[in-house]
Amino acid sequence: DQQVKQNSPSLSVQEGRISILNCDYTNSMFDYFLWYKKYPAEGPTFLISISSIKDKNEDGRFTVFLNKSAKHLSLHIVPSQPGDSAVYFCAASDSGGSNYKLTFGKGTLLTVNP
Amino acid sequence: DSGVTQTPKHLITATGQRVTLRCSPRSGDLSVYWYQQSLDQGLQFLIQYYNGEERAKGNILERFSAQQFPDLHSELNLSSLELGDSALYFCASSDDRGSDTQYFGPGTRLTVL
Repeated sequence: DQQVKQNSPSLSVQEGRISILNCDYTNSMFDYFLWYKKYPAEGPTFLISISSIKDKNEDGRFTVFLNKSAKHLSLHIVPSQPGDSAVYFCAASDSGGSNYKLTFGKGTLLTVNP
Repeated sequence: DSGVTQTPKHLITATGQRVTLRCSPRSGDLSVYWYQQSLDQGLQFLIQYYNGEERAKGNILERFSAQQFPDLHSELNLSSLELGDSALYFCASSDDRGSDTQYFGPGTRLTVL
């Protein structure tokens, strides 16, 4: 049972345009959400996170939106740059206990074309 | 650079063998997490240690075990290796002080032949 789903395996956008990556979750206990970027042969790099008490968080070109009622979050990258080309993972955790393990989606490969 | 280090970067071994993967967390982080990424799966949580104590287990096989030492580095031991154990193994650390953000190491690529 996949609790975090990224339904688009890949996304291609033009440099300068907006990239929108989507993520859905099923576990209503999740209360903290993160996006990671991963290049081949490297570990995931933390990008941005959002707590369930918020619906939006911005950090530079990256904005994460959370819609709790729809159990949906999205990552917006504006403007997109060729260096953003990577696999993006959505992750979620339930911090109600003492274990902050992350549950990951399977990733979306973003390609930003010059 | 996340501050999390993992060794070795690559490991090639044969079925039935045993290997040890090592992880050093970021300075000050008490929690260490181990994840497995295989070709057909996303990142799967294996196990978490906090300040030397096992805190949570995920999809970790009985052939696998881990420990965290007093200096907070951690080792993941994989034994009786099978072809299906070939994967990327990532270590992550966090401070667990109100933030769930985990910082990942570069990973160890294990190939079982």
